[in-house]
Amino acid sequence: DAKTTQPNSMESNEEEPVHLPCNHSTISGTDYIHWYRQLPSQGPEYVIHGLTSNVNNRMASLAIAEDRKSSTLILHRATLRDAAVYYCILAGFNKFYFGSGTKLNVKP
Amino acid sequence: DSGVTQTPKHLITATGQRVTLRCSPRSGDLSVYWYQQSLDQGLQFLIQYYNGEERAKGNILERFSAQQFPDLHSELNLSSLELGDSALYFCASSPRLEGWANVLTFGAGSRLTVL
Repeated sequence: DAKTTQPNSMESNEEEPVHLPCNHSTISGTDYIHWYRQLPSQGPEYVIHGLTSNVNNRMASLAIAEDRKSSTLILHRATLRDAAVYYCILAGFNKFYFGSGTKLNVKP
Repeated sequence: DSGVTQTPKHLITATGQRVTLRCSPRSGDLSVYWYQQSLDQGLQFLIQYYNGEERAKGNILERFSAQQFPDLHSELNLSSLELGDSALYFCASSPRLEGWANVLTFGAGSRLTVL
């Protein structure tokens, strides 16, 4: 199975940008890169996804390396409500496997 | 409310018992996924159904089984329960079969405690 590697934890100050990295060197040509986050005591929620080009939505931006072996989730201005575990996922045909995720702590 | 409904929210049972977890997908979604999350662990993919048919299997134990019914709701059956089966069980749904471009919508989970 295609795997993702993320730092176990990261810390950010409120109102500052956060860059969450993900390595996925075994990505295949048809795998999409998805990011989900899980707030405490909740189910995961969708953040963003992309294939090759950088993507923006109201929650975040996704920067994908040219060789697609890594990507970065960018939260432009972290808030306390962004404290969560962020999962980077490679999604292919009939597969949607979560990695171990990065626990983001946001300091006021 | 994500639109994915899981019942029960909490369940406490004893080792050796059998339980059934239920999931109603978001309206219009045909694909259902089941995940297990043990304490402080990531989400382990168990199984996926699409329009009533099993389409992908992950690390699902033989003691566990699932099905998706004609009305598209799904049930996860856990039998001969062991202490290690204590976990949060999440159901997710998506509109289509293919995983790569799907957006999954997760339910709030069912917390199973085996004593």
